[in-house]
Amino acid sequence: DVKVTQSSRYLVKRTGEKVFLECVQDMDHENMFWYRQDPGLGLRLIYFSYDVKMKEKGDIPEGYSVSREKKERFSLILESASTNQTSMYLCASREGDQPQHFGDGTRLSIL
Amino acid sequence: RKEVEQDPGPFNVPEGATVAFNCTYSNSASQSFFWYRQDCRKEPKLLMSVYSSGNEDGRFTAQLNRASQYISLLIRDSKLSDSATYLCVRLRADSWGKLQFGAGTQVVVTP
Repeated sequence: DVKVTQSSRYLVKRTGEKVFLECVQDMDHENMFWYRQDPGLGLRLIYFSYDVKMKEKGDIPEGYSVSREKKERFSLILESASTNQTSMYLCASREGDQPQHFGDGTRLSIL
Repeated sequence: RKEVEQDPGPFNVPEGATVAFNCTYSNSASQSFFWYRQDCRKEPKLLMSVYSSGNEDGRFTAQLNRASQYISLLIRDSKLSDSATYLCVRLRADSWGKLQFGAGTQVVVTP
């Protein structure tokens, strides 16, 4: 069965901190995605990666960066956390024409 | 205008009844769509794919109307467990399999 694991379900950080959100998939998928989900806005794509060390900006990349050093792991980095980055963060992976599979999500609060 | 728009609801449905709701999209080049289901504080999970004119899976029927640029989801014989938010999703016309999400329609099935 498909498994996408996000490192934390809930996370509280302070403004200005550097925050790392980790995502691991065990299906050997090439494509991985990071979204944030906010009420009334739906899921918005932050960054995605189509191969190791390859990354592309999504719709709202500002304030974020990503790292894909290994195929199974895709990390989202908040360089200097701000309160408007409080959100639900969802990681997904996909192979070929198959649907995306999501992790459980990380609820991040920036104080 | 959002590229994928949904009525946020909630649609309150008596158990056993039928409920239907639409999703409109603005990009006429869109070819493929999905309905995802998301339970409260959980990750989205694929409910069904919508190719060509539509698709049926048990109690769920999805239809695609290209002329009017909308997709519908119909749930027959509603169960309490159908209570969730239903996300309309468009597959973007690029090579990476990126998705565009609507904000979701909430369905509440009542006893």
